[in-house]
Amino acid sequence: DAGVTQSPTHLIKTRGQQVTLRCSPKSGHDTVSWYQQALGQGPQFIFQYYEEEERQRGNFPDRFSGHQFPNYSSELNVNALLLGDSALYLCASSSTGNGYTFGSGTRLTVV
Amino acid sequence: GESVGLHLPTLSVQEGDNSIINCAYSNSASDYFIWYKQESGKGPQFIIDIRSNMDKRQGQRVTVLLNKTVKHLSLQIAATQPGDSAVYFCAEDTMDSSYKLIFGSGTRLLVRP
Repeated sequence: DAGVTQSPTHLIKTRGQQVTLRCSPKSGHDTVSWYQQALGQGPQFIFQYYEEEERQRGNFPDRFSGHQFPNYSSELNVNALLLGDSALYLCASSSTGNGYTFGSGTRLTVV
Repeated sequence: GESVGLHLPTLSVQEGDNSIINCAYSNSASDYFIWYKQESGKGPQFIIDIRSNMDKRQGQRVTVLLNKTVKHLSLQIAATQPGDSAVYFCAEDTMDSSYKLIFGSGTRLLVRP
């Protein structure tokens, strides 16, 4: 049973560019949450998707957007990248009555 | 709070000793708490959880204690092994409506052979 799958694993982008990160949830999970983890810090909640809609959002600017597809997979898009966006981006899937399962993340470096 | 510094606090223990990792949580309304283990290059891995109607829960070699009065959570690891070396985070959630985890400041556990 595959867990949460994220792609790509590593990514280098230039300031001002746009990036799309992808997440496939664990089998049986219908909810996807995205977190940003800066080096040496705990993960920070970006937003959560359920039934293809953003259900809740953390304290992140509109440059961060997302999407959930009918098969429950999700994308995180970041526009106009800043150096400070360099971080590990984690996807966590869940469903009612089940806890969160995290993927291994995408390491984004903005140069 | 949610903001932590660049340098994680570190707990260094001898292999075979018991480890205690502490966490202060922020929201009095939180009613579900989770401990995660994060190894280098990996995402957080679930260790154990506890609901606010309990003050202690035990798993295999791990025990979580919850003190709601002072908003404090601790993780005890018995007979610590080299494979326990990682960063440990506590996280809080509100079961009914929050839909998000709030992570505490992490602690790096180093196990000396």
